[in-house]
Amino acid sequence: GAGVSQSPSNKVTEKGKDVELRCDPISGHTALYWYRQSLGQGLEFLIYFQGNSAPDKSGLPSDRFSAERTGGSVSTLTIQRTQQEDSAVYLCASSRGSNQPQHFGDGTRLSIL
Amino acid sequence: EDQVTQSPEALRLQEGESSSLNCSYTVSGLRGLFWYRQDPGKGPEFLFTLYSAGEEKEKERLKATLTKKESFLHITAPKPEDSATYLCAVSGGSASKIIFGSGTRLSIRP
Repeated sequence: GAGVSQSPSNKVTEKGKDVELRCDPISGHTALYWYRQSLGQGLEFLIYFQGNSAPDKSGLPSDRFSAERTGGSVSTLTIQRTQQEDSAVYLCASSRGSNQPQHFGDGTRLSIL
Repeated sequence: EDQVTQSPEALRLQEGESSSLNCSYTVSGLRGLFWYRQDPGKGPEFLFTLYSAGEEKEKERLKATLTKKESFLHITAPKPEDSATYLCAVSGGSASKIIFGSGTRLSIRP
């Protein structure tokens, strides 16, 4: 499809396990963002990639969180040693540039038991 | 500190009852203000971008306006299908990230 694709759509895992969330941005979009949204809350910025520049990691809540973007396209958000407070919807967005509208995927709903 | 505040948190309207949602922002050097709509279980859907004070954009029953301190999303004669959470976001200052408000949950009763 032409939109941002995220997988899996749902993930249930046990506390302490590692998880990987995937984002396929819109082709040609140089900017890619990860956000976290807890139930009934706004979007919490996590990390931002722009082209080949060093990513802005200022929103990552702890060193258990990391992300990479390979070949300027697909991105993976990894959470190590998951905790119950990591339960949330993780949203990915891409755009043509930093001041351009973002196009969002439908998110990965992560539940930590 | 760059900040975006949306009000009200929730708004219930009767079908056909027009109203406005507010987005107040504090950012040095605004580069863009964005409005999104989010339905339950979905990612935000882009509605409008506004770049400078005085600018207006319209789409169906929605109209977005921008001043130097705030933006309004006016909804005229809303229908039940307009029920959603409306998010405002700004790009500006020295930060590379876009800052989102916490949203307004709009509910339109038939």
